[in-house]
Amino acid sequence: GAVVSQHPSRVICKSGTSVKIECRSLDFQATTMFWYRQFPKQSLMLMATSNEGSKATYEQGVEKDKFLINHASLTLSTLTVTSAHPEDSSFYICSATYGATGTNSPLHFGNGTRLTVT
Amino acid sequence: AQSVAQPEDQVNVAEGNPLTVKCTYSVSGNPYLFWYVQYPNRGLQFLLKYITGDNLVKGSYGFEAEFNKSQTSFHLKKPSALVSDSALYFCVLVILTGGGNKLTFGTGTQLKVEL
Repeated sequence: GAVVSQHPSRVICKSGTSVKIECRSLDFQATTMFWYRQFPKQSLMLMATSNEGSKATYEQGVEKDKFLINHASLTLSTLTVTSAHPEDSSFYICSATYGATGTNSPLHFGNGTRLTVT
Repeated sequence: AQSVAQPEDQVNVAEGNPLTVKCTYSVSGNPYLFWYVQYPNRGLQFLLKYITGDNLVKGSYGFEAEFNKSQTSFHLKKPSALVSDSALYFCVLVILTGGGNKLTFGTGTQLKVEL
């Protein structure tokens, strides 16, 4: 089945530094990738949608200058949390799909990245 | 506006007993409904989906779900629960739009299966 690899699985960084999270589709070309944020015991909150070769579409309330998303190829999207602060600590999950989003082609999720900002 | 609800934050069941995780939806058009499971510190894994056709959908790991249009429900079921089924379950509603399909996640239901 389709596999999405997300790296790193855990990262601890100091306040003010930037962190890059990678999301790769290993055996399919992902036309669209999504980035989610999940708070403890809560559902996933969609942050942004990215299509290969174009600018990401951010959800309302998500700071595009803080959460930089790059979708340079059909198999790789990156999320960079710039000037991270403790309130950015969270579980970040990427997902990828090919074809029509989420109907005949269910979303394939990465294993998530636990970000802790100290 | 479309929405999906999981009325139970947590469901407890004894191993070997049947389990049900509830999901109801509200949508003006045809619903596309999915169930995903999340294990601790992991991403979501696809379990099953309803697009069209038979109302009873069978999925991975022995799970099934019944689409009930009159009750606007899509409850997840398994005849005999296992301790390894303990996880967080999400019901997801997909709406087709001209600008790209929109996914709405339920709030999740924590399933705990005990010996």
